[in-house]
Amino acid sequence: GESVGLHLPTLSVQEGDNSIINCAYSNSASDYFIWYKQESGKGPQFIIDIRSNMDKRQGQRVTVLLNKTVKHLSLQIAATQPGDSAVYFCAENMGGATNKLIFGTGTLLAVQP
Amino acid sequence: DADVTQTPRNRITKTGKRIMLECSQTKGHDRMYWYRQDPGLGLRLIYYSFDVKDINKGEISDGYSVSRQAQAKFSLSLESAIPNQTALYFCATRGAGNYGYTFGSGTRLTVV
Repeated sequence: GESVGLHLPTLSVQEGDNSIINCAYSNSASDYFIWYKQESGKGPQFIIDIRSNMDKRQGQRVTVLLNKTVKHLSLQIAATQPGDSAVYFCAENMGGATNKLIFGTGTLLAVQP
Repeated sequence: DADVTQTPRNRITKTGKRIMLECSQTKGHDRMYWYRQDPGLGLRLIYYSFDVKDINKGEISDGYSVSRQAQAKFSLSLESAIPNQTALYFCATRGAGNYGYTFGSGTRLTVV
């Protein structure tokens, strides 16, 4: 199987509980942030995004919070399900001429039945 | 069909061999990227291209080269593969004016 989860921080939660995954980003000028989910053997998949002029955005069962003061991003998953087990990455858009995404190292979410 | 297709999905090659990883997309995006993923290190950018005539090095381009044959195709080559290039490789696309990437399913490359 996929080995991307090795050596990553791991969050273990019970099915039905809420999960909070945290991310610190590096560039105070970053203007856009994304959370990706990567399941074993697959490429990263978009979950939710937020622009720097917002501090909260909600999707279906997911909420992203942005605290620009401390350069911190979090992903909240409500009523966590076994299918949520995956590695979760945050990414920041550096903006400017390069306009590239810079990815965090990821957190492994393990949902216990 | 997937929006971003990578071939092969898995490859084992010997040290010193030249190998090409291919990526094609049906999203009509101008921007294409090659990333490498290693356990615990996240995704690191190898090369990126904003259009057919534009090629840019990423943070870990040494030992790699790319070719943007068409808007829809972006290939990554390892001229002389070495074992520390064993990794998962992802191609991604991004449309103009959009920030999110669409990723392929990845190529698992093993250099022995």
